[in-house]
Amino acid sequence: GAVVSQHPSWVICKSGTSVKIECRSLDFQATTMFWYRQFPKQSLMLMATSNEGSKATYEQGVEKDKFLINHASLTLSTLTVTSAHPEDSSFYICSAMTVSGANVLTFGAGSRLTVL
Amino acid sequence: KQEVTQIPAALSVPEGENLVLNCSFTDSAIYNLQWFRQDPGKGLTSLLLIQSSQREQTSGRLNASLDKSSGRSTLYIAASQPGDSATYLCAPHSGGGADGLTFGKGTHLIIQP
Repeated sequence: GAVVSQHPSWVICKSGTSVKIECRSLDFQATTMFWYRQFPKQSLMLMATSNEGSKATYEQGVEKDKFLINHASLTLSTLTVTSAHPEDSSFYICSAMTVSGANVLTFGAGSRLTVL
Repeated sequence: KQEVTQIPAALSVPEGENLVLNCSFTDSAIYNLQWFRQDPGKGLTSLLLIQSSQREQTSGRLNASLDKSSGRSTLYIAASQPGDSATYLCAPHSGGGADGLTFGKGTHLIIQP
């Protein structure tokens, strides 16, 4: 079946630094990937849609200059948290839709970000 | 806007019991509905996908039913085991929003050995 890999699975950084998280579709091509954020005991909240070869689409309230998304190939999307602050500490999860769509998403294992 | 409610929010039972997890959603115009499992600090594992035209899906000890018109889905877990301990998330796909999914807050399940 379809597999989505996220890296790193966890990262600790100092306040003010930038952190990059990768999301890869291992055995299929994904024209569209999604990035979510999940705070403790809360639902997953969609942050942005990553489109291969074009600009990402951000949900309302998500700062595009803070959360940079790049989808340079059909198998890789990256999320960069710029100038991270403690309030950015969260669990970030990506998902990917296959080229054929079918309204089914495959999720990555998530990346735990802790900003000191 | 789709809203998803999962009941109960938490459940702790001894192993061996048959369990019922409930999910309700406000917009019945959905394409499908997925049940996911999330272990602590981990991503989501898809358990069952029910298309809008289906009434139920089964996988091993899991059975999910869908009553689209009333906006309800139920996940049945038979003969629960400690390894079933996790948070279970319901996500109807209604086409609204970029990914079309709306997640409930989940049911946190603990199966006592």
